[in-house]
Amino acid sequence: AQSVTQLDSQVPVFEEAPVELRCNYSSSVSVYLFWYVQYPNQGLQLLLKYLSGSTLVKGINGFEAEFNKSQTSFHLRKPSVHISDTAEYFCAVSTGFQKLVFGTGTRLLVSP
Amino acid sequence: EPEVTQTPSHQVTQMGQEVILRCVPISNHLYFYWYRQILGQKVEFLVSFYNNEISEKSEIFDDQFSVERPDGSNFTLKIRSTKLEDSAMYFCASTRDTGSYGYTFGSGTRLTVV
Repeated sequence: AQSVTQLDSQVPVFEEAPVELRCNYSSSVSVYLFWYVQYPNQGLQLLLKYLSGSTLVKGINGFEAEFNKSQTSFHLRKPSVHISDTAEYFCAVSTGFQKLVFGTGTRLLVSP
Repeated sequence: EPEVTQTPSHQVTQMGQEVILRCVPISNHLYFYWYRQILGQKVEFLVSFYNNEISEKSEIFDDQFSVERPDGSNFTLKIRSTKLEDSAMYFCASTRDTGSYGYTFGSGTRLTVV
């Protein structure tokens, strides 16, 4: 079975500062990896995904993530955050058409 | 861009009543899912559906829950006798194949059981 760990429940950061949201996964088979964002009172929006190929994946809104197989990590980064990036961020894994397994989420709080 | 549409956006129901949550997946998608998110908690898998049958379900998806694709376009989640603890945001999702293209989520139905 797969599992996802997001160690940071909340990450406060000032506007224009860089941020990294951590995600580690556990799986005995190859996985697909995803980051979703949830703005207040809204649904889940896909930020980016890793399926294969280049380990550095670029997504929407200036976010990127790097797949590190040896460390079983898929950390999300942004070089300069905006107030509008304040949201809940979920890392998820899948082994294919099967279910997505989500982490517990990291709340990113951007302040001026 | 194609969307997964969920209706209603918010439903209030009395404990013990039956509710049906509706979803219209993207038309060429073949795999369908329901997830739920209790307020302040993580998103949890409920059930996956392919080729008109359940392919996997979680422990949460007990006999009170059922899914159906009645007409080839809608995908419904029925809760036969709602409990207070069923209050949550319910998300429908679909994908075209074995996850290669990612999953598209609907905007959710907030179910409140009173």
